[in-house]
Amino acid sequence: EPEVTQTPSHQVTQMGQEVILRCVPISNHLYFYWYRQILGQKVEFLVSFYNNEISEKSEIFDDQFSVERPDGSNFTLKIRSTKLEDSAMYFCASGTGGYEQYFGPGTRLTVT
Amino acid sequence: GEDVEQSLFLSVREGDSSVINCTYTDSSSTYLYWYKQEPGAGLQLLTYIFSNMDMKQDQRLTVLLNKKDKHLSLRIADTQTGDSAIYFCAESIEGNNAGNMLTFGGGTRLMVKP
Repeated sequence: EPEVTQTPSHQVTQMGQEVILRCVPISNHLYFYWYRQILGQKVEFLVSFYNNEISEKSEIFDDQFSVERPDGSNFTLKIRSTKLEDSAMYFCASGTGGYEQYFGPGTRLTVT
Repeated sequence: GEDVEQSLFLSVREGDSSVINCTYTDSSSTYLYWYKQEPGAGLQLLTYIFSNMDMKQDQRLTVLLNKKDKHLSLRIADTQTGDSAIYFCAESIEGNNAGNMLTFGGGTRLMVKP
């Protein structure tokens, strides 16, 4: 069964550094998403991406964040200058644009 | 804005039924979902219901939707120890934008005792 994959599973970085989180969505999906879950808090929507552009983004997704689909398979989330409060589990999801979104296993980002 | 609320914890005995409840505030919700998260794993889509439905059954899972009260429940029949996990309720609103953002509840931790 096809699934969303994410790398790395755990990323540790120092405050102020740039990080890139990578996702490989399910191959025939056209809609891609990033969510995050700070420890002990709800899963929060960050951004959705379709047809090579952002279709929706939340207040969390400020200028420090960017997304890209650099080739036909990867979908990346970049945080330019990480802050301590960016520490969270980051989930990628993909879908066909209807009601179903399939999530990856997540990348745990720890900012020290 | 949208808000989705769930109770934090539920404990049941193996073989009993589990009922996990969720309330939401946005009456324009189009789809409502249940996701399961096992330790160290991602969010697994269990089932969903369209807002014009009252009930959906899928094997051991039954979803009930009371749109008037904005209340969603997930019933797991014959609960097994493998059902122990965190269960998230989520809603989406179909808009003009491509794709639907999901708004999640805080999750209910289900513990199944043998």
